[in-house]
Amino acid sequence: ETGVTQSPTHLIKTRGQQVTLRCSSQSGHNTVSWYQQALGQGPQFIFQYYREEENGRGNFPPRFSGLQFPNYSSELNVNALELDDSALYLCASSTGTSNLDTQYFGPGTRLTVL
Amino acid sequence: GNSVTQMEGPVTLSEEAFLTINCTYTATGYPSLFWYVQYPGEGLQLLLKATKADDKGSNKGFEATYRKETTSFHLEKGSVQVSDSAVYFCALREGANNLFFGTGTRLTVIP
Repeated sequence: ETGVTQSPTHLIKTRGQQVTLRCSSQSGHNTVSWYQQALGQGPQFIFQYYREEENGRGNFPPRFSGLQFPNYSSELNVNALELDDSALYLCASSTGTSNLDTQYFGPGTRLTVL
Repeated sequence: GNSVTQMEGPVTLSEEAFLTINCTYTATGYPSLFWYVQYPGEGLQLLLKATKADDKGSNKGFEATYRKETTSFHLEKGSVQVSDSAVYFCALREGANNLFFGTGTRLTVIP
């Protein structure tokens, strides 16, 4: 059984550009959540997808958007990049959306915006 | 609202010392509580969890007890090793909501 995988590992972009990050959920998991972890901070929730529908969103602007595909993999898209978007982006998958469903994290994508 | 307050770091201990990292939470209902660990350059790994009051989560010598009366979930280990050096995050999840994390505590264990 493979765990959660993310690509790419590292990415460098410039202000104003757009970026797409990808996540493959763990086998048997239908829920994917995305988090942003700034340097020295705890992860902050961006949004969650459950069976291809957005199922909750944190305090992030609309330029942060996502998709979930029929195989439950997911993408995070960020438009009009800002310097403050530099962070580790973490994807987590789970078997459902309740607090009894443990979220398992991928290794993350480190985004640097110059 | 939901929040997690975690002991400020960094924490430096000698090998075989006793570890406590304090964590308290605020929630409106009955959350599940988690400790995640992040090794250098890596994502988060689930260390242990507890889903109801008085539950004790344990893994790899670490343990934490869900204390509803004190709204706490302190992480303990009797004898730390150099390989335990990492950042530890306390988190809660309530209902269908996402995980709320503390700011993390960096632990360094010296030989």
